[in-house]
Amino acid sequence: EPEVTQTPSHQVTQMGQEVILRCVPISNHLYFYWYRQILGQKVEFLVSFYNNEISEKSEIFDDQFSVERPDGSNFTLKIRSTKLEDSAMYFCASRRDSWGYTFGSGTRLTVV
Amino acid sequence: DQQVKQNSPSLSVQEGRISILNCDYTNSMFDYFLWYKKYPAEGPTFLISISSIKDKNEDGRFTVFLNKSAKHLSLHIVPSQPGDSAVYFCAASPYNAGNNRKLIWGLGTSLAVNP
Repeated sequence: EPEVTQTPSHQVTQMGQEVILRCVPISNHLYFYWYRQILGQKVEFLVSFYNNEISEKSEIFDDQFSVERPDGSNFTLKIRSTKLEDSAMYFCASRRDSWGYTFGSGTRLTVV
Repeated sequence: DQQVKQNSPSLSVQEGRISILNCDYTNSMFDYFLWYKKYPAEGPTFLISISSIKDKNEDGRFTVFLNKSAKHLSLHIVPSQPGDSAVYFCAASPYNAGNNRKLIWGLGTSLAVNP
């Protein structure tokens, strides 16, 4: 069964450093998403991406965040200058044109 | 922001019995509801969904009921099996003109099915 692959599974970074979280969505999917879950809190929508551009972003997704689909297969989330409160589990998801969201296993980001 | 609420953080049931997980929502713009299951160290896995034009959807052991007037939905698992032990998330999607379909999530209910 096709999978959404996320790397790395765990990333530890120093506050103020840039991080890039990587995702390989399912190849024939059209919509791409990043969600995050801070420990003990809800899963939160960050951003959606369609047709090579952001289609919607949340208030969390400020100027420190960016997404790219550089080569038609990878979908990355960049945090330019990490803060302690960015520590969370980050989930990538993709879907085609129905309700079939497929999530990756997540990247646990720890900012120290 | 409590648009989707799962008021029970945990639920414990005996194997073979029914598990009922509840979810309430406040946003009238939600027109699609989904249940996801999550095991530790894995991403959420889609379980079952329901459109706001329906009041019931069934898939094997899983049934979702929607009461629009009460803004309430529930997931029934019958019979419950030990492998069903996981965190169950209720999620809802607001209608918008595009096809973006972001999900708004509840906090989750941890289900333990005891042998």
